[in-house]
Amino acid sequence: GALVYQYPRRTICKSGTSMRMECQAVGFQATSVAWYRQSPQKTFELIALSTVNSAIKYEQNFTQEKFPISHPNLSFSSMTVLNAYLEDRGLYLCGAREAGNNQAPLFGEGTRLSVL
Amino acid sequence: GDSVTQTEGPVTVSESESLIINCTYSATSIAYPNLFWYVRYPGEGLQLLLKVITAGQKGSSRGFEATYNKETTSFHLQKASVQESDSAVYYCALGESAGNYKYVFGAGTRLKVIA
Repeated sequence: GALVYQYPRRTICKSGTSMRMECQAVGFQATSVAWYRQSPQKTFELIALSTVNSAIKYEQNFTQEKFPISHPNLSFSSMTVLNAYLEDRGLYLCGAREAGNNQAPLFGEGTRLSVL
Repeated sequence: GDSVTQTEGPVTVSESESLIINCTYSATSIAYPNLFWYVRYPGEGLQLLLKVITAGQKGSSRGFEATYNKETTSFHLQKASVQESDSAVYYCALGESAGNYKYVFGAGTRLKVIA
């Protein structure tokens, strides 16, 4: 079946350092990948939407300079949290969907980021 | 802007009792929003529970059901008889159907079912 894997599941980084997280689609072609963040006591916020062969679209309050995303093929995407600080902690979710497919995106289990 | 408001948790229900988690939405930038309920079981990722794309329709899955009510802008989640295994966090969401699938999530409602 179709699945989305995220790696790592949990990670800790020192304040001011960077952290890269990965998203792997299995069993389908991830034409579009969306990255979300759930900060403590908050709901999921869309960071950016990446579509293969198109520019990555970032939501307000999120920038490429802070959250660079790579989506090199139809099965993989990565996002880096640059210069992480306490406000960046939370659960980062990857949701992927196939083009022309009106189904809801499949989500991974998330990468939980703690910042010391 | 677009927003989703749902029952504030945690909600505690005894096994075999009925459940309703309220969800109301505001879709100002999406002309024909799709409505979803997602569930997150402990230690797992976000899973789609049910989806309804047409106003007036009802979606159902695993004994849960929700009706897309455009007049009251609501999409309440109901189950007639809950089980301990239903303990999880439930998220109501609205989104676009095609192209940019920007989703707006509610805050989530933590459900605890006790034996």
